[in-house]
Amino acid sequence: GNSVTQMEGPVTLSEEAFLTINCTYTATGYPSLFWYVQYPGEGLQLLLKATKADDKGSNKGFEATYRKETTSFHLEKGSVQVSDSAVYFCALSPGTGRRALTFGSGTRLQVQP
Amino acid sequence: SQTIHQWPATLVQPVGSPLSLECTVEGTSNPNLYWYRQAAGRGLQLLFYSVGIGQISSEVPQNLSASRPQDRQFILSSKKLLLSDSGFYLCAWTVGNGGPSYGYTFGSGTRLTVV
Repeated sequence: GNSVTQMEGPVTLSEEAFLTINCTYTATGYPSLFWYVQYPGEGLQLLLKATKADDKGSNKGFEATYRKETTSFHLEKGSVQVSDSAVYFCALSPGTGRRALTFGSGTRLQVQP
Repeated sequence: SQTIHQWPATLVQPVGSPLSLECTVEGTSNPNLYWYRQAAGRGLQLLFYSVGIGQISSEVPQNLSASRPQDRQFILSSKKLLLSDSGFYLCAWTVGNGGPSYGYTFGSGTRLTVV
């Protein structure tokens, strides 16, 4: 079946540091890949997505590239801010079937001033 | 534009009591609808999804049930809550006839505490 594996958190960084949150997936066919962000006490918001191999999703300074050869979709940001503190979820939507999202376990990011 | 409403935002219920959480979507027709649960410190677990009125698929056997009485209304229910039902419940929708590239839009969630 489909699965998503994320690096365990929390990840603690100083402001302006470089961020990488690793995400790898297992899926049949050609899934679409997503990163969602959850701020404290809120629901999930779509951060970025990529729908085919080598696509790069980007938003708010975050980027992730769909790497089919390594089945990865790592999230990166060059300079984090305190306001980026949140839980980040990697997810996939399969190319066929019911299309329900499969989520990773989430990675908590804490950015210190 | 499309919006999704979920209520209540917070709920404290005693063990053995019933539950009803409601989710409605505006600005779209025939959406796919989903209920997820997020237990404390853990990821998201798909509970139910629906591709149309009266069509419910259950992902996890448990004491919860879901119904879709109208096209844009999705209800999560329980006859008798357990302590293990505590968590953060999220409703989501996506385009019904869209492909896998369509993202999901989530409601703001209901934090349920069973005491």
